[in-house]
Amino acid sequence: GAGVSQSPSNKVTEKGKDVELRCDPISGHTALYWYRQSLGQGLEFLIYFQGNSAPDKSGLPSDRFSAERTGGSVSTLTIQRTQQEDSAVYLCASSLEWGKGQPQHFGDGTRLSIL
Amino acid sequence: QQPVQSPQAVILREGEDAVINCSSSKALYSVHWYRQKHGEAPVFLMILLKGGEQKGHEKISASFNEKKQQSSLYLTASQLSYSGTYFCGTLPQTGANNLFFGTGTRLTVIP
Repeated sequence: GAGVSQSPSNKVTEKGKDVELRCDPISGHTALYWYRQSLGQGLEFLIYFQGNSAPDKSGLPSDRFSAERTGGSVSTLTIQRTQQEDSAVYLCASSLEWGKGQPQHFGDGTRLSIL
Repeated sequence: QQPVQSPQAVILREGEDAVINCSSSKALYSVHWYRQKHGEAPVFLMILLKGGEQKGHEKISASFNEKKQQSSLYLTASQLSYSGTYFCGTLPQTGANNLFFGTGTRLTVIP
């Protein structure tokens, strides 16, 4: 497809389990971003990747969160030992390149619910 | 570094105008505006780069006052389709390379 694709669209899991969220950016986009949006809140930056450079992990809330991007394309956000406060919509976005004037295009997100 | 948006919510009748403000405590390189409808992904509206420019997209326009670190989004002759939550994302001139988003302004347009 032409847009950013995220999977799964919904994930329900028990507290303490690990989860993996996937993001497939727009073809040709070198920059990829992960955000978290809690109910009724704004977007909280988590991490971004630019090409093959080391990612900016400054927004990751704890060491239970990690992300990787293979081959400069698909990215996976992993949350280990999930907690109830991890429940949120996780949004991925991509842009043509990292640049201060580049718009970010968002996927539909993964709604994560921790029981 | 999160910007402050105001108002938090606004209700308009079709055809009325609205202004949404975004203010940062940091010197900014750019301001991004997005609109998000309930249950959907945020959609890009426009970017304003430092230089005090103003941009427009149909009846939605925005300005960026670099010196005041403020941006305003102007919606004129509002339509029902304008309803949603509007977020500004700010990119600081120095330091972080990621956007910091405000908590949003919920806009509801009624017939």
